[in-house]
Amino acid sequence: EDQVTQSPEALRLQEGESSSLNCSYTVSGLRGLFWYRQDPGKGPEFLFTLYSAGEEKEKERLKATLTKKESFLHITAPKPEDSATYLCAVQANDYKLSFGAGTTVTVRA
Amino acid sequence: GAVVSQHPSWVICKSGTSVKIECRSLDFQATTMFWYRQFPKQSLMLMATSNEGSKATYEQGVEKDKFLINHASLTLSTLTVTSAHPEDSSFYICRPTGVFRGRGNTEAFFGQGTRLTVV
Repeated sequence: EDQVTQSPEALRLQEGESSSLNCSYTVSGLRGLFWYRQDPGKGPEFLFTLYSAGEEKEKERLKATLTKKESFLHITAPKPEDSATYLCAVQANDYKLSFGAGTTVTVRA
Repeated sequence: GAVVSQHPSWVICKSGTSVKIECRSLDFQATTMFWYRQFPKQSLMLMATSNEGSKATYEQGVEKDKFLINHASLTLSTLTVTSAHPEDSSFYICRPTGVFRGRGNTEAFFGQGTRLTVV
């Protein structure tokens, strides 16, 4: 069974204080690893897809990296508007997504 | 990105009644639809998968007679919660997939979600 574990569960940052979120996974036949941002009461918003170990992608203050066992989402110099829950999901060959429980990030001004 | 419209965004219903949730893919053909449920402070749990024109496949522990899924067209799928009870109160989210603008699958895009409260 595919498993996705995210840590920490919650992260409180001061504005400008960079940090990283972890997503460790086990999956049979990884098609892709996805990062999403979810605001309260909203559906997940797509951030990145990573397909193979060593791949990196960046978008504004966010950078995602992937190894064979885990992925990191780095938040550089975060701003209050980066406050959200960040979800990691893995997609196997059946196209289903298995989600982690998420990391709730709070950035204080 | 792909445009996905889910309606309603929230609904309150009385226990024992049924509620229908719609999910539309506005700019691509959704050959497959995934329906998720999310309880507070928890992650998304897959409920069922449906292919256009076929019966849905339900995940273990999800009652198929309670959560009726219709995927009769490539742009619309519905989830009906029948005889709703307070324990069905949750956040329901759809995820249509298909070929988007000829560039591959749309697995990245979700509906906005529907907050169901059963009183």
